[in-house]
Amino acid sequence: AQSVSQHNHHVILSEAASLELGCNYSYGGTVNLFWYVQYPGQHLQLLLKYFSGDPLVKGIKGFEAEFIKSKFSFNLRKPSVQWSDTAEYFCAVRRAGTALIFGKGTTLSVSS
Amino acid sequence: DTEVTQTPKHLVMGMTNKKSLKCEQHMGHRAMYWYKQKAKKPPELMFVYSYEKLSINESVPSRFSPECPNSSLLNLHLHALQPEDSALYLCASSQQDLSGNTIYFGEGSWLTVV
Repeated sequence: AQSVSQHNHHVILSEAASLELGCNYSYGGTVNLFWYVQYPGQHLQLLLKYFSGDPLVKGIKGFEAEFIKSKFSFNLRKPSVQWSDTAEYFCAVRRAGTALIFGKGTTLSVSS
Repeated sequence: DTEVTQTPKHLVMGMTNKKSLKCEQHMGHRAMYWYKQKAKKPPELMFVYSYEKLSINESVPSRFSPECPNSSLLNLHLHALQPEDSALYLCASSQQDLSGNTIYFGEGSWLTVV
């Protein structure tokens, strides 16, 4: 079955720590990859996306993600997190002719 | 701010009530979606409309009835819901229902069924 796996259910960091959230998918072929963020009580916002080209993509708020095709991965990174980054992070994958599939999400808690 | 607008933001309804959730976008997108999200869970696709026609129904119970009156509007009619239907209902849109298009989400409607 098609799936998107996010390795970390809950990540707790102190401010200024570096962040890496894992995302793996199980499809072959061409995929489009997304990271969405949902701040407490708010709607889903697009952080970044990869369709083609440079596998290192930069998004809003200092986030970046690297697509590694051989590992079927699209990990999210940020060099230095802030308290305001506390949120739920969802990786999502879409193939041609299919719906957008979300991972289960990772809760990030940043302490000041 | 999101350009997908949903109303109402909060709705409490009884199990015998009939209510509707509304969604509007003015980005010229031709694909619109309804998702359901439970707390701390990922969004789950319910319906997809492409060019105002229902293209995907993810085996959603008939007590949820979508409607797309025009290319900018998407409604979700609710009737005889159960308490387990309480969730955040997200509307979304994209330029077309193609994998290369980004899906943009509204702020959602929080539904509580009592």
